[in-house]
Amino acid sequence: AQSVSQHNHHVILSEAASLELGCNYSYGGTVNLFWYVQYPGQHLQLLLKYFSGDPLVKGIKGFEAEFIKSKFSFNLRKPSVQWSDTAEYFCAVMKTGANNLFFGTGTRLTVIP
Amino acid sequence: DAGVTQSPTHLIKTRGQQVTLRCSPKSGHDTVSWYQQALGQGPQFIFQYYEEEERQRGNFPDRFSGHQFPNYSSELNVNALLLGDSALYLCASSFSAPGLVSSDTQYFGPGTRLTVL
Repeated sequence: AQSVSQHNHHVILSEAASLELGCNYSYGGTVNLFWYVQYPGQHLQLLLKYFSGDPLVKGIKGFEAEFIKSKFSFNLRKPSVQWSDTAEYFCAVMKTGANNLFFGTGTRLTVIP
Repeated sequence: DAGVTQSPTHLIKTRGQQVTLRCSPKSGHDTVSWYQQALGQGPQFIFQYYEEEERQRGNFPDRFSGHQFPNYSSELNVNALLLGDSALYLCASSFSAPGLVSSDTQYFGPGTRLTVL
């Protein structure tokens, strides 16, 4: 069965620290990959997505993610976090040609000022 | 440009009752997907509606049903509510290009928080 793993459940960082959140999926076919963010009291918002092409994808608010096909990974990075990045981050995978997103369980990021 | 809207925001029901949740897609979108998000979990796909028909369904029982209207808005119905149905129900909208079996990026609404007592 297809699954998405986010190994970090809760990450606490100080402002200006670098961030990397892990995401691994188990599916051997072609996939589309997404990172969504949920700020406190707000709805899920798309941070970035990968469909094809350059495996290094840049998103909003300085976030980027790298698709490494051989490792089935799509890790999210940001060189310097801000207090406003405090949120829950979800990795999601969709098989190419399908219509349903498979989500990880999420990583809660707390940034300390 | 209005995003995805959902109503109601919160709902409290008792076991055995039935509930209807509503969703209006983002302008320009014609496809609606529904997800259930239990506390501490990621959203789980319930089903997707396109051209007023259920196009794909996740692993949810028949108690979960839906409908899409000609204006692309959608309803999620849950019958015979169980305590385990308590969750945040998310609607996501997207655009399906004609001739393709799948839709583009999904954009989410704020959700409806359902509590079953």
